[in-house]
Amino acid sequence: DTAVSQTPKYLVTQMGNDKSIKCEQNLGHDTMYWYKQDSKKFLKIMFSYNNKELIINETVPNRFSPKSPDKAHLNLHINSLELGDSAVYFCASSRGWRATYSDYGYTFGSGTRLTVV
Amino acid sequence: SQKIEQNSEALNIQEGKTATLTCNYTNYSPAYLQWYRQDPGRGPVFLLLIRENEKEKRKERLKVTFDTTLKQSLFHITASQPADSATYLCARGNQGGKLIFGQGTELSVKP
Repeated sequence: DTAVSQTPKYLVTQMGNDKSIKCEQNLGHDTMYWYKQDSKKFLKIMFSYNNKELIINETVPNRFSPKSPDKAHLNLHINSLELGDSAVYFCASSRGWRATYSDYGYTFGSGTRLTVV
Repeated sequence: SQKIEQNSEALNIQEGKTATLTCNYTNYSPAYLQWYRQDPGRGPVFLLLIRENEKEKRKERLKVTFDTTLKQSLFHITASQPADSATYLCARGNQGGKLIFGQGTELSVKP
């Protein structure tokens, strides 16, 4: 199946722990993203990579560190987890990052629900 | 700052009617607007795009309009079906490709 797949689907962890979420796309897209969706369903961009290069880095605590080993993978590592980090994290990809590629939209993964206790 | 606002109240309509969802933006006009559908526990799915210089776009039962004077986009689903029940997200994009999402409007179509 062609898709954006992220693992794990659910993650429950204690405050202070370090965790990673993995994302892979087999669509041949050049650009990948991490979005955070809070309890009010508001989707907010965190990071974007184009061909392994960081192009968007929103105001995100530096406890969050993305890593793109190749253009098909974008992982998210979170250090010293806090209660406020609880949310659903979505990975997405697109053909490119410029508006010229916007006709095709983003393809999203099914999300990772992170619960910090 | 660039903002995108959708009606946070759920929209309930009868099957067969036309659903109309509203998306308002602030400040300068975005290069384009995209509409997505999100089902519970799933990621958003891309539906339609409309560019700044386009007034209307259609795809099957879906229609999107872009009014730069009102700073508004309307999303219509004609002959709505219970299977159309979902949350619909509007997103604004600029030339640099950064996509900013609204909070979504939940649509419920009753049989």
